[in-house]
Amino acid sequence: ETGVTQSPTHLIKTRGQQVTLRCSSQSGHNTVSWYQQALGQGPQFIFQYYREEENGRGNFPPRFSGLQFPNYSSELNVNALELDDSALYLCASSRGLAGGMSGANVLTFGAGSRLTVL
Amino acid sequence: AQSVTQLDSHVSVSEGTPVLLRCNYSSSYSPSLFWYVQHPNKGLQLLLKYTSAATLVKGINGFEAEFKKSETSFHLTKPSAHMSDAAEYFCVVTDNTGKLIFGQGTTLQVKP
Repeated sequence: ETGVTQSPTHLIKTRGQQVTLRCSSQSGHNTVSWYQQALGQGPQFIFQYYREEENGRGNFPPRFSGLQFPNYSSELNVNALELDDSALYLCASSRGLAGGMSGANVLTFGAGSRLTVL
Repeated sequence: AQSVTQLDSHVSVSEGTPVLLRCNYSSSYSPSLFWYVQHPNKGLQLLLKYTSAATLVKGINGFEAEFKKSETSFHLTKPSAHMSDAAEYFCVVTDNTGKLIFGQGTTLQVKP
């Protein structure tokens, strides 16, 4: 089975620009989550998509948005980039909603897209 | 609200010696807890998970963790460190919406 793949692996943008990051979920997985990992920090939850709809959102402004497609792949869009948006963006997929009370639906993570904002 | 605290930002051990990475959690209900490992330029990999079954959880690569409710701890251990274990380790708790809450991470250094 294929794992989670993300593109691009690295990119550089300037402040105020917009960026789109892409994620292909693992075969058989229908849920995608996005996390932001700043340098030296643990990942922070941005949002989760299930059945093409946002299902849960972390403490991120509206300029962070996403999409999930019928094939369960996903995009993360960030508008009006700020210097603090520089981070590793991680995509993760799961079969069903991730975690939850039973923790049964474990996330499989991609290697990430490293965004640098100048 | 759920949270995790990793008590050491950096741990250094010699190859062949035991590993202990400490994690305390806070949760308003019985939590699901995980340990993930992150090697440079690679995705986060699940080491093990606790989901209210056995309190001693065995994971991959010889790692295990014990859930101690009285101490609100979920420490990760390995009897004998290998050079390939050098990486960043994250203790994680979930909330009831599926969101993963990560600790700040512990960098494990393994010296020859």
